[in-house]
Amino acid sequence: EIVMTQSPATLSVSPGERATLSCRASQSVSSNLAWYQQKPGQAPRLLIYGASTRATGIPARFSGSGSGAEFTLTISSLQSEDFALYYCQQYINWPPITFGQGTRLEIK
Amino acid sequence: QVQLQESGPGLVKPSETLSLTCAVSGYSISSGYYWGWIRLPPGKGLEWIGSIFHSGITYYNASLKSRVTISVDTSKNQFSLKLSSVTAADTALYYCARLQGFGEFWGQGTLVTVSS
Repeated sequence: EIVMTQSPATLSVSPGERATLSCRASQSVSSNLAWYQQKPGQAPRLLIYGASTRATGIPARFSGSGSGAEFTLTISSLQSEDFALYYCQQYINWPPITFGQGTRLEIK
Repeated sequence: QVQLQESGPGLVKPSETLSLTCAVSGYSISSGYYWGWIRLPPGKGLEWIGSIFHSGITYYNASLKSRVTISVDTSKNQFSLKLSSVTAADTALYYCARLQGFGEFWGQGTLVTVSS
């Protein structure tokens, strides 16, 4: 099973600044990587799939990069609604699919 | 717009079977895609439980495989989860999703607590 490791566990950033979240896979997943945003009481929201393709309706300030085993989610200018929990997920040759443990993005 | 809605008991006794149903609207399950279940235990991360195709092909998380059954009812456009012999460790928010690789559409989730 491929293990996904996200860092940092918590990231404190001021509104308007850039946030960079990292995700590492225990082996190559090529570009089969998705990012989700989750807020309390809500379902996960797909942000990025294919490592860098924004899902429908996702603002351009969200961008994904990377391939192989190292990935990054960048939020270029943080808005108040962006403070949430973020998960990465691999799906190469699924099943299984596995998620990272999450990064909590909080207001500095 | 594809919408999913979970339903089922919010409280299950230890050793009993957890049963949830996911009703899908805005898309016919028979048209394709895999559909799946994911859970979020308190204080932990997301865990994939399993997925099913409209033909009935299923894939399960190896750690839960002996206790999990996912089935589909195309006539009702819904799919279901059964998890047997539950313990407190199965207490979680349970989500259904259109889950082919990644999850594009998700239900709002339903909290299931295992307690006597």
